[in-house]
Amino acid sequence: SAVISQKPSRDICQRGTSLTIQCQVDSQVTMMFWYRQQPGQSLTLIATANQGSEATYESGFVIDKFPISRPNLTFSTLTVSNMSPEDSSIYLCSVGGIEQFFGPGTRLTVL
Amino acid sequence: GIQVEQSPPDLILQEGANSTLRCNFSDSVNNLQWFHQNPWGQLINLFYIPSGTKQNGRLSATTVATERYSLLYISSSQTTDSGVYFCAVEGGATNKLIFGTGTLLAVQP
Repeated sequence: SAVISQKPSRDICQRGTSLTIQCQVDSQVTMMFWYRQQPGQSLTLIATANQGSEATYESGFVIDKFPISRPNLTFSTLTVSNMSPEDSSIYLCSVGGIEQFFGPGTRLTVL
Repeated sequence: GIQVEQSPPDLILQEGANSTLRCNFSDSVNNLQWFHQNPWGQLINLFYIPSGTKQNGRLSATTVATERYSLLYISSSQTTDSGVYFCAVEGGATNKLIFGTGTLLAVQP
């Protein structure tokens, strides 16, 4: 399976600011996804990061709030914009097709 | 969309005990995975099991796709088994995983 890293591993941010989370994979992958896990909850898919085109967002998530870049087949970023305390979550990237593998996650706290 | 329910929601075990976790899903699926989320938040792949039975050490899983459920068996539990167990399914040719509600397991020494 691919080795997936995320930066930062955790951060504490002030409301109204933005944070960009990076996801790096050690091999080229076609499919890359971003998930959110709110405190005490399950994981919810935010979007599919498409290489060379706009991300595909799930219902309830919009590009203005969660812009995503996918400049190549090994890297993607997720930005959480204009943050509020409700954005406090673990954000995880995943890769794979039939079987998915997850990065270690970014634990975000918004004050 | 597909609904995924897990039971029990919480489980406390003494070290050495066995347990069975259940995952019910509301429609046919192409993919089913079991994950263990450790206390640091890392998701660990346990099984890719859209159907049939697999075993890996003290863990085994069975998916009965026609009856829309999967079971995860943990035998001789250890404190390191503590954490949240998720099943996740993919319903169409989308590779998008829909996660279940999770089972929070605490193994006490």
